[in-house]
Amino acid sequence: EPEVTQTPSHQVTQMGQEVILRCVPISNHLYFYWYRQILGQKVEFLVSFYNNEISEKSEIFDDQFSVERPDGSNFTLKIRSTKLEDSAMYFCATHRDRGSDTQYFGPGTRLTVL
Amino acid sequence: DAKTTQPPSMDCAEGRAANLPCNHSTISGNEYVYWYRQIHSQGPQYIIHGLKNNETNEMASLIITEDRKSSTLILPHATLRDTAVYYCIVRDPQGGSEKLVFGKGTKLTVNP
Repeated sequence: EPEVTQTPSHQVTQMGQEVILRCVPISNHLYFYWYRQILGQKVEFLVSFYNNEISEKSEIFDDQFSVERPDGSNFTLKIRSTKLEDSAMYFCATHRDRGSDTQYFGPGTRLTVL
Repeated sequence: DAKTTQPPSMDCAEGRAANLPCNHSTISGNEYVYWYRQIHSQGPQYIIHGLKNNETNEMASLIITEDRKSSTLILPHATLRDTAVYYCIVRDPQGGSEKLVFGKGTKLTVNP
């Protein structure tokens, strides 16, 4: 069964540094998402991306965050200047088309900001 | 905020059926009920979804009440690997937003 992959599995960074989290979506999927989960808390939506542009974003997704598909396969989340409170699991999710039944989630990247 | 209410935790004996309830009293006519689960900080995994008819797949069954204000996810023969947090989510797949809104879910513990 095709699956979403994410790299790295764990990223440790110093506060104020930039990080890029990478996701490889399932090949024929067109809609892409980032969610995050702070330890012990709910899974929270960050942003959705379709046709090379952001279609929806949450209040969490401020100017420090950006997303892109640099090469038509990878889908990336960049945090420009990390803060301690950015420490969380970040999940990429994809689905095939609008109204599609299922979002497929990747295994996540654990981001630790020191 | 999530539109669903679930018990925070449940226990089930291995091999027995696990019945996980969900209340969604404000569900609208176009909204489906989706169930996902998350095993120990892994990515959420889709289980099943339905609109008004009961649904069954290889993982589970979904029973939706006639008034659609509540539903039950049934794992017919729970195994230790089914220990996870189970999320009930209501969503209109043809609505303006594609995002999933997760609540706190039910932490199911399957005991040997």
